[in-house]
Parts: sequence; structure tokens; C-alpha cells
Amino acid sequence: DADVTQTPRNRITKTGKRIMLECSQTKGHDRMYWYRQDPGLGLRLIYYSFDVKDINKGEISDGYSVSRQAQAKFSLSLESAIPNQTALYFCATSDFRGNTDTQYFGPGTRLTVL
Amino acid sequence: GENVEQHPSTLSVQEGDSAVIKCTYSDSASNYFPWYKQELGKRPQLIIDIRSNVGEKKDQRIAVTLNKTAKHFSLHITETQPEDSAVYFCAASEAYKYIFGTGTRLKVLA
Repeated sequence: DADVTQTPRNRITKTGKRIMLECSQTKGHDRMYWYRQDPGLGLRLIYYSFDVKDINKGEISDGYSVSRQAQAKFSLSLESAIPNQTALYFCATSDFRGNTDTQYFGPGTRLTVL
Repeated sequence: GENVEQHPSTLSVQEGDSAVIKCTYSDSASNYFPWYKQELGKRPQLIIDIRSNVGEKKDQRIAVTLNKTAKHFSLHITETQPEDSAVYFCAASEAYKYIFGTGTRLKVLA
């Protein structure tokens, strides 16, 4: 879905480096999410935000931080990257209607930590 | 904690045959069950979803069934085609909270 974009699409970094992954959306959704995907483990929630002033930890937030700069922008940071953070990272947005929340994913960022 | 079990992890079918993927969830509060298709190197794309007040939903060759009592839901793909080859994820959701299954790799053999 071209309405959700992520940069960079691929990144190789070294252990101990700080790295930021960025997500932007033009869907006008208030809710944004960061997930990581590992082979055989599906998608796991790192952080989520319901609006600019609302940030919440997900299932696996240790080692990560986020910033919601605007309704349309949600960034994920790894303060000191480690090899087990090598994964595929997805941003998602959602439109909460009728007590259900349909999520739409960005194209993903493949991160490799050496 | 809450979890979603998805089976099988891999599934190979002949083109034109049907494919069925099953999920079981643990959180009774779940009220929304989306299915995502992820092609190699691509993002998960929503293909069909069902809400807890509905037992079955169909969209062309794809259908989803839900049994809330048993906490089971299933994806059915009929007349499979090579382009159906992908990884399929189920999820159980209550409000914002999604719990994903671990995925099923479907291979449609021509």
C-alpha cells in the first residue's frame, strides 16, 4: 500500500551503532505501530501510538524507542544495535471503526546488525 | 499469555485444488480476525477479515469461517492458482491488539 512508506528499505549496521527507521503515512490514520518479523515467529509488536501524545510499549519493546513527530510520522530507534535485532521491521497504520482496527502495513525495512 | 496457533506451517497443493489453513486463538475477548498474504519480499496485505458476529465470509475464491465457541477460524482458498503461492498469516484482535499466527507457506504446484 503506497500510502505507508518506510525508510530505509535495507540497512546494514554494526553492533553498538544507533539507528533510526522512519515511517510516514498519507492515510490520515491516527494509530501507528512498529512490528518486527522473524522467520517462524510471525509479527510481534514493538511499540504503538494512538496519537501524537500517546506512546505505548508492545510485546518486545526492550532495546527500542520511538518518536511520534506528527500524525503522519512514527520513527523507531535502536539506541545500541545488537545482532539479535537483525530482522524485518514493519510499520503499520490503522483506522479504528466499529470496535475493530484494520491494520495496513508499510513495505518493510530489512535490518542487519553485524 | 494470549497466543494464536496456526497450522499447517507449510502446505503444497496442486493448481486447481483447495487449500485450508486453520488458526486457534486463546483470548476470548478477540472480536476481529484478519488474514494477511505476504509474497516474498513484500509487505503483508489484508485479503479478508471477519468480525465476531459473523460465522462465514466469502470473497470470490477466498472464504473465512469462524467458530467462536471453539475459538477456531479458518481460511479456505478454492481453485488455487500459482499466484496464490505466498505466506499467509492469521491474526486475532481485540481493539488495537493483534496477535499473529506464525504463518503458513502455501505452494501451489502447476
